[in-house]
Amino acid sequence: SYVLTQPPSVSVAPGQTARITCGGNSVGSKSVHWYRQKPGQAPLLVIYYDTDRPSGIPERFSGSNSGNTATLTISRVEAGDEADYYCQVWDSSSDHVVFGGGTKLTVL
Amino acid sequence: QVQLVESGGGVVQPGGSLRLSCAASGFTFSGHGMHWVRQAPGKGLEWVAAIQNDERNKYYADSVKGRFTISRDNFKDTLFLEINSLRAADTGLYYCAKDETTFVTLPDYWGQGTLVTVSS
Repeated sequence: SYVLTQPPSVSVAPGQTARITCGGNSVGSKSVHWYRQKPGQAPLLVIYYDTDRPSGIPERFSGSNSGNTATLTISRVEAGDEADYYCQVWDSSSDHVVFGGGTKLTVL
Repeated sequence: QVQLVESGGGVVQPGGSLRLSCAASGFTFSGHGMHWVRQAPGKGLEWVAAIQNDERNKYYADSVKGRFTISRDNFKDTLFLEINSLRAADTGLYYCAKDETTFVTLPDYWGQGTLVTVSS
């Protein structure tokens, strides 16, 4: 079955740029979606179809996807961005939704 | 606005059964695929099952296939998950999520979840 690999943790200082990667075999040929989950809350979609932002999501959030790596980029990081972030794809080979293991973003 | 409210969770013994429900409002329920996603305590998201808008196709994670059954009532705007032969590994918060389209590739709105605890 298809596997998405994320780093367990990423740390960044306020005002800097955070980059969270999502690795998978030829993931660039799939559409990648990203979710943010704060403690005690349900996941929230922040990027869909690799680069699109739902309404209400700040422009500081952006995405890219090429080759074997998709990346969520958060510019000018704020304390409120501290959360777990998950990438997700649809694997048409298995007809399964697949999530990455999640990355905990810590704002120093 | 989209609202998804899960219910039916609880404490159940290993081998037991539960029926989870998800009441939907704020969108045309019959026009969207739906998902169940779970999260074990302190762990990541695990997709469980999904169903197309017209129930034509249902999809299951390998870990639950044969034990869980997803269904929906498009007249009552409600999603269900019948879970049988429960194991300790099934413990977690079960989220209901709406798909962006009639199919099941992108869960875009999520409920707050209902907690299932499997314990003797």
